Amino acid sequence: GNSVTQMEGPVTLSEEAFLTINCTYTATGYPSLFWYVQYPGEGLQLLLKATKADDKGSNKGFEATYRKETTSFHLEKGSVQVSDSAVYFCALSAVDSSYKLIFGSGTRLLVRP
Amino acid sequence: DSGVTQTPKHLITATGQRVTLRCSPRSGDLSVYWYQQSLDQGLQFLIQYYNGEERAKGNILERFSAQQFPDLHSELNLSSLELGDSALYFCASSVDVVGVGTEAFFGQGTRLTVV
Repeated sequence: GNSVTQMEGPVTLSEEAFLTINCTYTATGYPSLFWYVQYPGEGLQLLLKATKADDKGSNKGFEATYRKETTSFHLEKGSVQVSDSAVYFCALSAVDSSYKLIFGSGTRLLVRP
Repeated sequence: DSGVTQTPKHLITATGQRVTLRCSPRSGDLSVYWYQQSLDQGLQFLIQYYNGEERAKGNILERFSAQQFPDLHSELNLSSLELGDSALYFCASSVDVVGVGTEAFFGQGTRLTVV
């Protein structure tokens, strides 16, 4: 079945450091890919998305490129801030899983001043 | 504010009891999804409804049931509660199925504690 694998956390960085959170997926066909963020005590918010190969999603300085050849959707940010501390979830949606969102296990990011 | 409303925000109840969690989707959204988030199992898909009909089912226990009403709000019923049911329960909604051009919006969740 379809699945998403994320790098384990927590990831601890200093402010202004470069961030990469790895995400790979298993799916037949062409899933849509998403990154969601969960700030402490809150629900999930959509951060960015990509719906076809080579698409790049971007928002708030975060980027991720849909790479079909490596089945990856890694999240990157050039310079993290303390306010980026949160849990990040990679997810996919595909026709053969009834278009429900399938999530990775989440990666906790802690940014220190 | 995502526009998805979940009530109550917190719920503490005893083992063996039954509770009902409520979700009001964003205006115009026809799909509702329920997820369970526990510390050791991440986000688990429970069930999806589309315009009142069950569309997909995940690893939902037989003790759990859900429905979507004609006004599109949804309720998740959890019965014979066990300590292991303690978790954060999220509802999400989308206009249609989540896919090309469509995204899901999540509520703030209901934190259920079974004691």
